[in-house]
Amino acid sequence: QKEVEQDPGPLSVPEGAIVSLNCTYSNSAFQYFMWYRQYSRKGPELLMYTYSSGNKEDGRFTAQVDKSSKYISLFIRDSQPSDSATYLCAMSAGNQFYFGTGTSLTVIP
Amino acid sequence: NAGVTQTPKFQVLKTGQSMTLQCAQDMNHEYMSWYRQDPGMGLRLIHYSVGAGITDQGEVPNGYNVSRSTTEDFPLRLLSAAPSQTSVYFCASSSVTGPNQPQHFGDGTRLSIL
Repeated sequence: QKEVEQDPGPLSVPEGAIVSLNCTYSNSAFQYFMWYRQYSRKGPELLMYTYSSGNKEDGRFTAQVDKSSKYISLFIRDSQPSDSATYLCAMSAGNQFYFGTGTSLTVIP
Repeated sequence: NAGVTQTPKFQVLKTGQSMTLQCAQDMNHEYMSWYRQDPGMGLRLIHYSVGAGITDQGEVPNGYNVSRSTTEDFPLRLLSAAPSQTSVYFCASSSVTGPNQPQHFGDGTRLSIL
C-alpha cells in the first residue's frame, strides 16, 4: 500500500468552476501537508502548506486537512485556464517527504 | 535569483555508463534531496542531506550515490546506468530553520538509458 494515494484524473472543468482535489494517506505520523502545482516540463512549485488539521486559505486556493480521516483536499475557486497543470499532494514526517502521483487538471476557457 | 539549478536538462546514456547529475542552490538551504518522477509512481525520494557532510537514503536509493561537500551542491551519481533508471530527476532544497519546511524544486533532468 502506498503511503499517499491520489486520483490521477484527468480532470477537466469549465472556466469559473470550483475544483476539488483530494489525497488520502495511511501514516498517522504525517504532520505537515503540502500541495504543489507542476506545469509540463517544469519542477513542482509550492502552492499551500499546512500543519495539522483545519483549513488554510490563500486567494482562490483553500487547503483542508482532516487528520482523523487521513484525508486532505485542495479547493480552487473561480478556476482559470492558467490553473491547468498537475497538482501533487505531499506530506512529511521526520526528514522524508512523500508525494501523491498527481492529478492532471485542465480548465477549459 | 536562480533558486535550484539542475544540469544537464537532458541526457541519453547507454547501459553500463556512469554519470553525475548536478544540483546547486543559492538560498543557503541546509536540506537538499533528489527525487525521481515516473508515470503512475509520483515523486520518489532517492537520497537526501540535512547538511554538508551528512547524507541518508530515501525510498529508492539502489544504483545511486550522493555526497555533500558544500552547502550549495548536491550531485547525484549513477554508477552503472540501467534502463530502469530512465526517469525525470528532480533536486529540491529547503531551509531547516524549523522542522519539515516545504521544498523548492529545480526544473529536472530528463534521463534516458538505452
